[in-house]
Amino acid sequence: DGGITQSPKYLFRKEGQNVTLSCEQNLNHDAMYWYRQDPGQGLRLIYYSQIVNDFQKGDIAEGYSVSREKKESFPLTVTSAQKNPTAFYLCASSPPGTGAYEQYFGPGTRLTVT
Amino acid sequence: DAKTTQPTSMDCAEGRAANLPCNHSTISGNEYVYWYRQIHSQGPQYIIHGLKNNETNEMASLIITEDRKSSTLILPHATLRDTAVYYCIVSLFQGGSEKLVFGKGTKLTVNP
Repeated sequence: DGGITQSPKYLFRKEGQNVTLSCEQNLNHDAMYWYRQDPGQGLRLIYYSQIVNDFQKGDIAEGYSVSREKKESFPLTVTSAQKNPTAFYLCASSPPGTGAYEQYFGPGTRLTVT
Repeated sequence: DAKTTQPTSMDCAEGRAANLPCNHSTISGNEYVYWYRQIHSQGPQYIIHGLKNNETNEMASLIITEDRKSSTLILPHATLRDTAVYYCIVSLFQGGSEKLVFGKGTKLTVNP
């Protein structure tokens, strides 16, 4: 089945540790996105990538880093510099030529940092 | 900031039509209106989008006013599984690409 996978579903880390969230898609989509969602809030864009080896900061990129070495993969690292890392993280991808509307989302990773 | 305004919550009886309003008074002529929904603790799901004309697909209908300053998403026969947060989004062109800006959405509760 084609789709977006994020793993793990739940992740727990100690404060001060970097943590990398996985996002893989087998939809052959060019663009991929990372969003953060806090309780009762909408999604906020962290980083996005239109093509391999290229990515741009979103609205809240501070304390995060990404890489896009392969079309299928867009991992997100939450660094120790991120002051409030506990959140629900969502990865999405979109096919070429569709602009922003047809974004397919993964199931999300809920990160808890204590 | 999101460019849309939606009610915080709405209720609907199962089997009835759910009409979700959205105001987007600052929309530009070439910007689309998108609707997504998010069932609790899952990733958002695309529903429908439109520019000027009304649109319909297997999930919903989208009615856009003639001045394009507001729209309504219609779920013709709501079911319990339609309980979710519904996001009305006007895309933002920034840095040469189009991005979605999610507001807080409308929490729709479908009651039996």
